[in-house]
Amino acid sequence: GENVEQHPSTLSVQEGDSAVIKCTYSDSASNYFPWYKQELGKGPQLIIDIRSNVGEKKDQRIAVTLNKTAKHFSLHITETQPEDSAVYFCAVVTGGFKTIFGAGTRLFVKA
Amino acid sequence: SAVISQKPSRDICQRGTSLTIQCQVDSQVTMMFWYRQQPGQSLTLIATANQGSEATYESGFVIDKFPISRPNLTFSTLTVSNMSPEDSSIYLCSVDWTRNEQFFGPGTRLTVL
Repeated sequence: GENVEQHPSTLSVQEGDSAVIKCTYSDSASNYFPWYKQELGKGPQLIIDIRSNVGEKKDQRIAVTLNKTAKHFSLHITETQPEDSAVYFCAVVTGGFKTIFGAGTRLFVKA
Repeated sequence: SAVISQKPSRDICQRGTSLTIQCQVDSQVTMMFWYRQQPGQSLTLIATANQGSEATYESGFVIDKFPISRPNLTFSTLTVSNMSPEDSSIYLCSVDWTRNEQFFGPGTRLTVL
């Protein structure tokens, strides 16, 4: 089955710096790659996603890149702010429509 | 997007008892999912619940332990039966909104003593 690896598990950045989180996957049939942000005490929130026919997508300060050949995709957050502090999960939707989540990255943005 | 609510938001239960968690969506959706998130961990799919059919359970989860109902297109329940401390987790429902986009409820935080 699909295997999703996410790195790093913890990331600490200074306010204003950029943060990058990377995920790799194993199933070449996977075609949808969402990213979720989970704040303390809340459910995961979909923040950006990318489909297999696109290499990059941007929404204000966040962007996602996808390399289908290498089977990896990344979340980029620019100009980080303290409110970006949260746990971020990558996910992969396989050809069988099952969503597999990465282990999560705890992001700390220091003011 | 869909707005999803869950009840209760949290509960503390005694071992051996059962708890039913409710999930309400503000729009009609075909697919609903139930996940478990153990403290500090990622999300693990328990089952997929489609209206009008039996829930489909993932490996390691069985209907006797986690019975699910899906009576209509906006509502589902998950029961955690015969609870033990190992069942202490956050339980999340989600919906497949469109083209695999999932939206999650706020979660139910369960502590079993």
